[in-house]
Amino acid sequence: GESVGLHLPTLSVQEGDNSIINCAYSNSASDYFIWYKQESGKGPQFIIDIRSNMDKRQGQRVTVLLNKTVKHLSLQIAATQPGDSAVYFCAENKRSGGSYIPTFGRGTSLIVHP
Amino acid sequence: ETGVTQTPRHLVMGMTNKKSLKCEQHLGHNAMYWYKQSAKKPLELMFVYNFKEQTENNSVPSRFSPECPNSSHLFLHLHTLQPEDSALYLCASSQAGGGTAHGYTFGSGTRLTVV
Repeated sequence: GESVGLHLPTLSVQEGDNSIINCAYSNSASDYFIWYKQESGKGPQFIIDIRSNMDKRQGQRVTVLLNKTVKHLSLQIAATQPGDSAVYFCAENKRSGGSYIPTFGRGTSLIVHP
Repeated sequence: ETGVTQTPRHLVMGMTNKKSLKCEQHLGHNAMYWYKQSAKKPLELMFVYNFKEQTENNSVPSRFSPECPNSSHLFLHLHTLQPEDSALYLCASSQAGGGTAHGYTFGSGTRLTVV
């Protein structure tokens, strides 16, 4: 299953399928990008990040792809499980003074059906 | 637990009340943040503190007043709120600069309802 940027807030997939969550960002000067997962009743939790000088980064069952030409970021989840059901946010980080300040996307709700 | 603890988890207050939200982190971080999360809207940054000094106030109304007595504690004082202020208020912490590979660590939030 695949979501189309921030305009499709819900993605429904079957357990075992691969999921692709997309994100369009706006600031070409962003230094790095982070994907967060937010489960019901909890705060966002870091999943994976990627620096702006990279195109791809892999974690455990997750892969983030960065296409700077079209300012597009995607999160791929392999063999999606019911525990992956959550809202997923992308965030672009740009240095501002002494801090990196993230700008968050609206989020995509991933629903995994057993 | 993420290492960032927020209390209370839920709060219902009237528009004339004064209440405070508390955030505590035991991660050794020296930057702390308040975010507002409303339904169907992106996370909104409210305040940033680096080494107890406020470095960012994102045009937040004065009815929200932050306080950071030390690098481990952050408060958000609330007074004369409006119903539209009802939201999930999230606290986060990071190393100053926020440039760590793990980004921010968020608490579970305080669900605020203004009646």
